Amino acid sequence: GAVVSQHPSWVICKSGTSVKIECRSLDFQATTMFWYRQFPKQSLMLMATSNEGSKATYEQGVEKDKFLINHASLTLSTLTVTSAHPEDSSFYICSATTHGSYNEQFFGPGTRLTVL
Amino acid sequence: SQQGEEDPQALSIQEGENATMNCSYKTSINNLQWYRQNSGRGLVHLILIRSNEREKHSGRLRVTLDTSKKSSSLLITASRAADTASYFCATDAGGYQKVTFGTGTKLQVIP
Repeated sequence: GAVVSQHPSWVICKSGTSVKIECRSLDFQATTMFWYRQFPKQSLMLMATSNEGSKATYEQGVEKDKFLINHASLTLSTLTVTSAHPEDSSFYICSATTHGSYNEQFFGPGTRLTVL
Repeated sequence: SQQGEEDPQALSIQEGENATMNCSYKTSINNLQWYRQNSGRGLVHLILIRSNEREKHSGRLRVTLDTSKKSSSLLITASRAADTASYFCATDAGGYQKVTFGTGTKLQVIP
């Protein structure tokens, strides 16, 4: 089946630094990738939708200058949390879809970000 | 927002018992899906039910959908300790509409 990986699986950083998270589709080409954030004991909240080669579409309330998304190829999307602060500590999950419909998403294992 | 609300928020049962969790949503949908998430891990897709379907089975899972009540239920029969996880419903309006996740039910199956 379709496999999505994320790297790193966890990261600890100091406040003010930037962190990059990678999301890769391993055995398929992902036309669209999604980034979600999940706070402890809460649901997944969509942050942004990215299509290969174009700018990401951010959800209301998500700062595009703080959460930089690059979808440079059909198998790789990156999320960079710039100038991270403790309130950015969360579980970040990416997903990918292989065709036009958004309902069939394959999820990565998530990245736990802790900002000290 | 058409985020689903799930109940109960938490459920604890003995191994072998059945577990039922419910999802309610606010707006019309094309599809409803159920996912499982083990603690600190990604999501595993369990089952998708379309708006024109009323019931679907997959192994020990049974999903129902009542579009008139905007609700769905997930039944796990003969539960196992390995079923311990959080379960989320997710809805979408089809095509390029985003998928919206419910609040989740945390299931604990006691061996």
